[in-house]
Amino acid sequence: AQSVTQPDIHITVSEGASLELRCNYSYGATPYLFWYVQSPGQGLQLLLKYFSGDTLVQGIKGFEAEFKRSQSSFNLRKPSVHWSDAAEYFCAVGLTQGGSEKLVFGKGTKLTVNP
Amino acid sequence: EAQVTQNPRYLITVTGKKLTVTCSQNMNHEYMSWYRQDPGLGLRQIYYSMNVEVTDKGDVPEGYKVSRKEKRNFPLILESPSPNQTSLYFCASSTPGGYNSPLHFGNGTRLTVT
Repeated sequence: AQSVTQPDIHITVSEGASLELRCNYSYGATPYLFWYVQSPGQGLQLLLKYFSGDTLVQGIKGFEAEFKRSQSSFNLRKPSVHWSDAAEYFCAVGLTQGGSEKLVFGKGTKLTVNP
Repeated sequence: EAQVTQNPRYLITVTGKKLTVTCSQNMNHEYMSWYRQDPGLGLRQIYYSMNVEVTDKGDVPEGYKVSRKEKRNFPLILESPSPNQTSLYFCASSTPGGYNSPLHFGNGTRLTVT
């Protein structure tokens, strides 16, 4: 069955430090991969997505992610974290559900940013 | 402004008292879906709808009902809520068209069943 694993439940970084959030997936075919961010009290916002092509994808808010098929990974990175990046981050794999997206989510990684 | 609106944002109820959480989108999206979010479990799909009068079960449909009488609305119904349905619920919508049409999420409804 398709699954998404985010190994880190909680990560704390200092403002200005670099960030990498890990995501591993289990899926038989070429995956469609997504990262979403959830700020406190808000819904989920799409950061970036990978469908095919260039394995390094750029997203909003200065985030990027790299797809590595050999490692079944899609890790999210940011070179310099801002205090406003404190949120919960969800990796997801997309499955076809009648032509639209069904997303299978990881359990999330909560990011705390220290001043 | 394009948005998915859920109401209410917060709801406290008692076991067995029927309730409805409304979801409305103004983007003319065909596809709509409900998720629940629980600590340590991430988001899990409850039900989805491909279009008016077309609904289907997601991964955790037990104890829930939905209806899709109009394109813009997709209410989630709990006929007899139980404490294990205490959760944060999200409605989402998109156009059909594969993954080029990302999901738009509402801001969530936090439900507590005592």
